[in-house]
Amino acid sequence: QKEVEQDPGPLSVPEGAIVSLNCTYSNSAFQYFMWYRQYSRKGPELLMYTYSSGNKEDGRFTAQVDKSSKYISLFIRDSQPSDSATYLCAMSSHSGNTPLVFGKGTRLSVIA
Amino acid sequence: DAGVIQSPRHEVTEMGQEVTLRCKPISGHDYLFWYRQTMMRGLELLIYFNNNVPIDDSGMPEDRFSAKMPNASFSTLKIQPSEPRDSAVYFCASSGQGATDTQYFGPGTRLTVL
Repeated sequence: QKEVEQDPGPLSVPEGAIVSLNCTYSNSAFQYFMWYRQYSRKGPELLMYTYSSGNKEDGRFTAQVDKSSKYISLFIRDSQPSDSATYLCAMSSHSGNTPLVFGKGTRLSVIA
Repeated sequence: DAGVIQSPRHEVTEMGQEVTLRCKPISGHDYLFWYRQTMMRGLELLIYFNNNVPIDDSGMPEDRFSAKMPNASFSTLKIQPSEPRDSAVYFCASSGQGATDTQYFGPGTRLTVL
C-alpha cells in the first residue's frame, strides 16, 4: 500500500460546479498537509497548506483534514475552466520544508 | 523574484550518455529538493539539501545518479550513464528555514533517454 492514495480521475465537471478532491494516507505521523495544482507541462504550485486537523478556506478553495480517518479533502466552489489542472495532495511529518510525500494526482477538467 | 530556475527545460539524449540537470533556488532559501515525476510512480523525492549539505539521498535510484550543491545558488543532478527508464520530468524545489515555509517548484526538466 502506498503511503498516500489519490484517485487519478479524470474528473470532468461543468463550470460552476463544486469539486471535491480527496486523499487517504497510512502514516499517522503526517501532520502537515498541502494541495498543489499542476498545469500541463508546468511545475506544481502550492494552493493550500494546513497543519494537523481542521479546515482552512482561501477564496473558492477549502481544505479539510481529518487525522482520525487519515483523510484530506480539497473543495473548489464555483469551478472555472481555469481550474482545469492536475491536483496533487502532499504531506510530511515535520514541516513543509522537509521531504513531501505526494499522491499521484487527480486530473480535473472544468467544462464551460 | 524569478522563482526556481531549471535548465535545460527539455533534454533528449541517447542511452549511455551523461546528463546534467541544473537548478537555481530562490534567493535566501536554505533547502533544496530534487524530485522526479513519472506517470507510473508520480512525484518522488530523490535527494534534498540543507545549507548546501545533502541530508537524505535515500531516494536516489542507484549509483548512476549523483547530486551536488557547491553553493547556495546552484545545484546539479547528474545521471551517468543514462538509461531509457530514467525518462521522466525532474523538478527542483526550494524552501526557507521557517516551520511554516513550503516548497516552491521550478518548471522542471523533461528528460527523454532513447
